[in-house]
Amino acid sequence: AQSVTQLDSQVPVFEEAPVELRCNYSSSVSVYLFWYVQYPNQGLQLLLKYLSGSTLVKGINGFEAEFNKSQTSFHLRKPSVHISDTAEYFCAVSSSQGGSEKLVFGKGTKLTVNP
Amino acid sequence: EPEVTQTPSHQVTQMGQEVILRCVPISNHLYFYWYRQILGQKVEFLVSFYNNEISEKSEIFDDQFSVERPDGSNFTLKIRSTKLEDSAMYFCASSTDRGGEQYFGPGTRLTVT
Repeated sequence: AQSVTQLDSQVPVFEEAPVELRCNYSSSVSVYLFWYVQYPNQGLQLLLKYLSGSTLVKGINGFEAEFNKSQTSFHLRKPSVHISDTAEYFCAVSSSQGGSEKLVFGKGTKLTVNP
Repeated sequence: EPEVTQTPSHQVTQMGQEVILRCVPISNHLYFYWYRQILGQKVEFLVSFYNNEISEKSEIFDDQFSVERPDGSNFTLKIRSTKLEDSAMYFCASSTDRGGEQYFGPGTRLTVT
């Protein structure tokens, strides 16, 4: 079974500041990792994914994340945020070894970017 | 760009009534999913569907729930007798590969009164 922990439920930052949203996972098998963003009253949009290869993954809207297997983490970063980045961000994991293909989500982190 | 669509966007129903939530996955996708998000809580997996049968379901997906792909395009979630605790946002998703990227629809907000 897999689980995902997002340590921060809310992260307020000022515009143009850097941000890191933390995600740790637990799994007995190797995993794929994802970050999704949910803007108010909208569905889930994929920001980026780690399937294999380079541990530094770049996504849309200037976001990137680094897979750290030893620390079982997949933290999301952006060097300079915009007001439009205000949204809820979900980290998710799925098994890469066949069997279950479901996504297991964390509880989400609400990012609020203030002017 | 192809996208997953869901109808209706908002459904209000009385407790005990049946509801059907509809989804049109991306046309060349083979794997289909339903998730739900109760207000303020995490997104939870309900069921996955492949090759016209359920491939996995969660504990939430009890006998009150069923899924169907009645034709080549629609994918439906039926709740036979709704309960207050079924109130949630229901998301449909689809993917080309097992375990790969899942594309989500905008969701149907179900309100059970």
